[in-house]
Amino acid sequence: SAVISQKPSRDICQRGTSLTIQCQVDSQVTMMFWYRQQPGQSLTLIATANQGSEATYESGFVIDKFPISRPNLTFSTLTVSNMSPEDSSIYLCSVEGLGQGRDEQFFGPGTRLTVL
Amino acid sequence: GEDVEQSLFLSVREGDSSVINCTYTDSSSTYLYWYKQEPGAGLQLLTYIFSNMDMKQDQRLTVLLNKKDKHLSLRIADTQTGDSAIYFCAEREGTYKYIFGTGTRLKVLA
Repeated sequence: SAVISQKPSRDICQRGTSLTIQCQVDSQVTMMFWYRQQPGQSLTLIATANQGSEATYESGFVIDKFPISRPNLTFSTLTVSNMSPEDSSIYLCSVEGLGQGRDEQFFGPGTRLTVL
Repeated sequence: GEDVEQSLFLSVREGDSSVINCTYTDSSSTYLYWYKQEPGAGLQLLTYIFSNMDMKQDQRLTVLLNKKDKHLSLRIADTQTGDSAIYFCAEREGTYKYIFGTGTRLKVLA
């Protein structure tokens, strides 16, 4: 199966700053997604990263707070803007469309963000 | 949105079978999934079942689906300490959106 990597793996940031998280896949995929997992909670979909167009955001998430880029079929970034302690979470990218696994989503290792 | 619920904790002895349960609400879900999350790691896809199936077996894992009751279970045979993790069920809503359950923390006692 493909390898999905995220950078950074973890970070500690100050309130009011922004952090950009990268997701890289070693093969082309159809769909890329960004999830948030708050401490002790389940996963919530933030948005679908669309290649060549604006991301599709889920209810409760907006582009100004979580701008997303997807310049090609193997790479995406998620920025967490103007951070507050409530943004402390694990952020995970996932991909779909790896080879024959068109109905399976595979996840990256996650980025653990702590906002002070 | 739809809710997917799981019990929070399960503790079993090494060598016993573990059964993790999940209830979902979207009867139109086409696929249901089980993921494993070890401490500090991302999610690992364990297995999934298509909605027209009742059962799927994959080595030590057995998935049972009761569509009438909207109940999904994951049975792990001969549970090992390396199986200790959080297990998430998820249902596929529409073309791509996954709704994840609350997660069950499995603790395997040696």
